[in-house]
Order: sequence, then structure tokens, then C-alpha cells
Amino acid sequence: EVQLVESGGGLVQPGGSLRLSCAASGFTLSNFWIHWVRQVQGKGLVWISRINLVGSYTTYADSVKGRFTISRDNAKNTVFLQMNSLRAEDTAVYYCARGSYNWNDEFPLDMWGQGTMVTVSS
Amino acid sequence: EVVLTQSPGTLSLSPGERATLSCRASQSVGSNYLAWYQQKPGQAPRLLISGASSRATGIPDRFSGSGSGTDFTLTISRLEPEDFAVYYCQQYGGSPLFGHGTKVEI
Repeated sequence: EVQLVESGGGLVQPGGSLRLSCAASGFTLSNFWIHWVRQVQGKGLVWISRINLVGSYTTYADSVKGRFTISRDNAKNTVFLQMNSLRAEDTAVYYCARGSYNWNDEFPLDMWGQGTMVTVSS
Repeated sequence: EVVLTQSPGTLSLSPGERATLSCRASQSVGSNYLAWYQQKPGQAPRLLISGASSRATGIPDRFSGSGSGTDFTLTISRLEPEDFAVYYCQQYGGSPLFGHGTKVEI
């Protein structure tokens, strides 16, 4: 089955760290840009980060810049989101999503994982 | 910084009616890189429209997108029961961001 599967969510204290994983099955992840999008319960979608095909280009939303790092291991068909200095306002469901298959990021998100919940609380 | 404003916030309609959702950008969306997504409770979003007007694979033709520049519209010609959901517009490409969503409710 062609899908993305997130893992690594959970409960963490403020100031702590978590690493989320996004694993692809049924297709070759290295052929696609991958994005992370989060959603606070009952609220809207918020784009937070993306990585290009080979991991040489990454961008972040201002709200996570300097605290979150996106990376990829194409040999393992997996993208990661390292989240440091977590705050209560980072509590959300985190989705990874498949983007462009071109060198340039010029396509929307056509496949999404089921999401993983991150709760930042003492 | 570009802002996407969706209106209305909530649209109350009945099955069979036409739904018209708006997405307005504070600056022109380059190359019409504007997408629409549908999200149902407890589910991940699903891509409906890309390039402002191209239906994604498997999307019924009652969904249509239009617009360019700063003003975009998603139209659902005749609402089916499964269409009651939240709809988001997204600028993709250079600086990805989402609108705040429109809830289509019965």
C-alpha cells in the first residue's frame, strides 16, 4: 500500500525534545519533497517545514525556526523532524505530507500520513 | 508576508445545494500555486484542487476551482452528504501557507 506513516509522538515536558519520523511505503521517498504540517485540536492547518529531494534545502515557519530541524535518510525511506526546546504551544497533531517530485517545490501535498500527536505539558 | 483569508468561516447548507468558498490572498499567488484540501473529523486532509483549477486524481467533478492572482473560489455544485467537512486553501511553492478554513455544515 502506498502511504506515509508518522511515529514518535508522545508526551514531553516543556523544554524537552522529540524526534518524529515519517516513513514511506509503496513508493520511493527520495523522489519527493516532504513537508510537515501541524494542527492544534479544533484549529486549522499550519505548515511548519519542508525538505527537498536530497536534503540539501530546508525551510521552516518562523514559529519553529531555530528549534526544529528536518532531515531525511533516503536509504531508509524516512524523513525526520527533530523538535527541541518544546513549548506548550507546540502541542498538536503533526502530519507529514508528500509534495513535489521535481527539483523545484512546485506541487501541492497529494499524500498525507495519519498524523502523530505531540503533547507538551508538565 | 502573504496571508490567505478564507470566507465565510462557516457555510450552512443542505444536501443538493451549491457551495461557494472564497480564498483571498494579500499578495498575488505566483503561478497560481493555489490548492484546496478537504478535511473530515479525525482524518488527514485530502487534496482536491491544484493549480487553482485542476482536480486531483479521483476527485468528483462536482468540485471545481477557479480564480487567479489574489482571488480564488472552490465550488461544490451539488453537495453530497459526504461533502460536509472543513476546506482549506493553500499557497504552495515559494512560501507554503494555509488559510484558516471554511466549515461546510448541514
